[in-house]
Amino acid sequence: KNEVEQSPQNLTAQEGEFITINCSYSVGISALHWLQQHPGGGIVSLFMLSSGKKKHGRLIATINIQEKHSSLHITASHPRDSAVYICAALQNTGNQFYFGTGTSLTVIP
Amino acid sequence: NAGVMQNPRHLVRRRGQEARLRCSPMKGHSHVYWYRQLPEEGLKFMVYLQKENIIDESGMPKERFSAEFPKEGPSILRIQQVVRGDSAAYFCATPEGSSRTGELFFGEGSRLTVL
Repeated sequence: KNEVEQSPQNLTAQEGEFITINCSYSVGISALHWLQQHPGGGIVSLFMLSSGKKKHGRLIATINIQEKHSSLHITASHPRDSAVYICAALQNTGNQFYFGTGTSLTVIP
Repeated sequence: NAGVMQNPRHLVRRRGQEARLRCSPMKGHSHVYWYRQLPEEGLKFMVYLQKENIIDESGMPKERFSAEFPKEGPSILRIQQVVRGDSAAYFCATPEGSSRTGELFFGEGSRLTVL
C-alpha cells in the first residue's frame, strides 16, 4: 500500500467545470504539497499546506489533518489547466517525501 | 522554478558509462532533494543533502549511485556503470531557505536515456 493515494487517476472535464482531486495519506506529516507537472515534464509547486485552506487564483487546496486527507479544487477549469497534479507528503519523522502517482487532468474546450 | 538549474536537460549514455547530473539551487537555498521519475511512474525520493553533508540517502540504490553537494558548486548525482533501467527523469528540488519544510522549488529535470 502506498503512503499517499490519489484519486482519480485520470480526469477529463469540459471547460468551465469545477474539478476536485483527492489525496489521502497514511503517515504523519509536517506538510503536504500539491505539484503540477506539464507535458514536457517541468514541475511547479502550487501549494504547501500544514493546516486549513489556501487559495491562489482559481486554485484552492484544503487539508484535514485528523482525517489525513487533502483536496485540490480548480474552479472554472480551462484547457491550460491540463496537466498531471501530484500530491506529496513530507513525513514528520525523517526527510522523506512520499508522492502520489498523480492525477492526469484533461480539460476540453 | 526557473531559479533551480539542472543540467544537462537530456543525456544519452551507453550501458556501462557514467552519468553526472548537476543541480544548482537558488541563492540562499542550502538543501537539495533528488528524485527519480521512471517512465509512467510517480516521483520517488532518492537523497536529501545539505551543503557538504548527506542527510538522508535512504531512497538511493546502494550500488552505482552517489550524490554530493559541495561547499562550492552544484549538487551532483552520479550514476556509474549505467544500465537501461536507469533511464528516467531525475529532478532536484530545493526547499525555501534552510528549512526542509519550506516551499519546494523544482528544477526542469534531467532526462537520462541509456542505450
